[in-house]
Amino acid sequence: GQSLEQPSEVTAVEGAIVQINCTYQTSGFYGLSWYQQHDGGAPTFLSYNALDGLEETGRFSSFLSRSDSYGYLLLQELQMKDSASYFCAVPSGNTPLVFGKGTRLSVIA
Amino acid sequence: DADVTQTPRNRITKTGKRIMLECSQTKGHDRMYWYRQDPGLGLRLIYYSFDVKDINKGEISDGYSVSRQAQAKFSLSLESAIPNQTALYFCATSDLGLAGGTDTQYFGPGTRLTVL
Repeated sequence: GQSLEQPSEVTAVEGAIVQINCTYQTSGFYGLSWYQQHDGGAPTFLSYNALDGLEETGRFSSFLSRSDSYGYLLLQELQMKDSASYFCAVPSGNTPLVFGKGTRLSVIA
Repeated sequence: DADVTQTPRNRITKTGKRIMLECSQTKGHDRMYWYRQDPGLGLRLIYYSFDVKDINKGEISDGYSVSRQAQAKFSLSLESAIPNQTALYFCATSDLGLAGGTDTQYFGPGTRLTVL
């Protein structure tokens, strides 16, 4: 089976950089995905890493280390609108995506 | 128009009532899912369907049933609602494409269900 661990809450200052970590245990590994969910909204896909290294998309970057079963989401130049919950997730072929319990990010002025 | 729609968006019902939540999608995806979200517990999978003839139980299927009426429609039923089924329910779709791909999921707006 799969399990994922991520911090439950993170607080950071507007304009700063924050890193949200995710460790996983899986029986078969294809890659690590990240989703964002604002309060009252639906989760939306942010990024996917199939290979080791850093993937950058604007202010957001995602990193994967397959040997360490570890990844992180990096948010730069934080804005108030980045306050949301962030979920890591692991796809595994013929079974559905497994989500972590989510990290609630609060951006403060 | 939204690609994944859910009806109703909000529902208040009483213990013992039968409730159906409906999901429709225009993305043409084969895979559809029902999730439940409770504060601090993340997204928990209730049922999933990889095509019209395929139905599978998820992590927390007890007390729920589903029907895949067509590729585009996937309904969730609570046969006899109880208060601890009060939660936010999401439908999602995905199209795995090549094996080992991201299986990116596209979520509907959610249904907030309250069972009194």
